[in-house]
Amino acid sequence: DARVTQTPRHKVTEMGQEVTMRCQPILGHNTVFWYRQTMMQGLELLAYFRNRAPLDDSGMPKDRFSAEMPDATLATLKIQPSEPRDSAVYFCASATDETTEAFFGQGTRLTVV
Amino acid sequence: AQSVTQPDIHITVSEGASLELRCNYSYGATPYLFWYVQSPGQGLQLLLKYFSGDTLVQGIKGFEAEFKRSQSSFNLRKPSVHWSDAAEYFCAVGAWGGSYIPTFGRGTSLIVHP
Repeated sequence: DARVTQTPRHKVTEMGQEVTMRCQPILGHNTVFWYRQTMMQGLELLAYFRNRAPLDDSGMPKDRFSAEMPDATLATLKIQPSEPRDSAVYFCASATDETTEAFFGQGTRLTVV
Repeated sequence: AQSVTQPDIHITVSEGASLELRCNYSYGATPYLFWYVQSPGQGLQLLLKYFSGDTLVQGIKGFEAEFKRSQSSFNLRKPSVHWSDAAEYFCAVGAWGGSYIPTFGRGTSLIVHP
């Protein structure tokens, strides 16, 4: 059963600490999305990659957020330093040109205290 | 830029009653439209999608949606709601950017009364 895997599922950290969230896309999917979900803003697109290259990260605060794909099986989203306003659920999703829809992971619930 | 409006934040229905969740979109070209469902603590699962062809689309779990270009709408329907349908429902419009990049509405929370 192919699925997008995100780790960790939950993360509680103190303000100022670095946070790294990981995503394993479905094998063979060449597009990866990062979304952030909050009550106030809903689902916001932070960044997306195609064939490991970042195509759009305009939704991401550049000063503290960074997204990478070290290889085709791993995408990372880092926040350094973290702030309480970063508390949210972060979703990774993957897709291919053939599938046309995005398949979502279960998310990482981040709490910054 | 594309956008999606889901005018209802919450919808409450009785089990067995029919359901319609509204979705209006704004997009300059032919839209690619999706409905996703999110259960508490879970990710988003695709219910159905529309790309072209028949404007009435059938999805999983007994859901269907109808694309109406003249009204810029893609409303989700189900003839008889089950208690397990209680969840958050998201409409999305996909813009092509090398892949279909979904832009989501704010979601509609469905509450089902026994």
